[in-house]
Amino acid sequence: EDKVVQSPLSLVVHEGDTVTLNCSYEVTNFRSLLWYKQEKKAPTFLFMLTSSGIEKKSGRLSSILDKKELSSILNITATQTGDSAIYLCAVGGSAGGTSYGKLTFGQGTILTVHP
Amino acid sequence: SAVISQKPSRDICQRGTSLTIQCQVDSQVTMMFWYRQQPGQSLTLIATANQGSEATYESGFVIDKFPISRPNLTFSTLTVSNMSPEDSSIYLCSETSGVGTEAFFGQGTRLTVV
Repeated sequence: EDKVVQSPLSLVVHEGDTVTLNCSYEVTNFRSLLWYKQEKKAPTFLFMLTSSGIEKKSGRLSSILDKKELSSILNITATQTGDSAIYLCAVGGSAGGTSYGKLTFGQGTILTVHP
Repeated sequence: SAVISQKPSRDICQRGTSLTIQCQVDSQVTMMFWYRQQPGQSLTLIATANQGSEATYESGFVIDKFPISRPNLTFSTLTVSNMSPEDSSIYLCSETSGVGTEAFFGQGTRLTVV
């Protein structure tokens, strides 16, 4: 059974701090790892990492995939109060059969940024 | 990315009743999925909505409780049947063009069963 574990489960920082969120996975025939930000109900897509794209960056957010360690990190620099949210990591497995296209999610990291 | 419209946004329902949630995508997509997020929990896949055929359910979810339809490539519904307070969750539809591509979510439906 596919498994995704995130750490820490919660994190409280002050504006301007840099944070690193962790995601480790066990999945059959890994295809992709995705990061989402969830503020209310709908997760908002941040990054997708694959074997052909192991680093992504957008503004203050960046992410790296370590295929050897079966893990990924999400970095947020110069945090702002608007970064307060739940950050979800999800992994996509092999194509074909019942696992085609579906994602397995981690528990999420609750990030709180104080002014 | 496709625009996904999900409704209702929220509802409060009596136990024993049923609620149907709709998901409309503005372009044809390959895969559509339904997820549940119970309070304080992460997302759990309910089923894959297959176009023109029966949905594929994950372990712990059954068609009698969560019937799903997908009559075409842009529309799907999830019904939560014979509801109990334990069904109080956020329900999310998702679409992707396939394995190794981004997956996007609708706005979600917050269901409270009283």
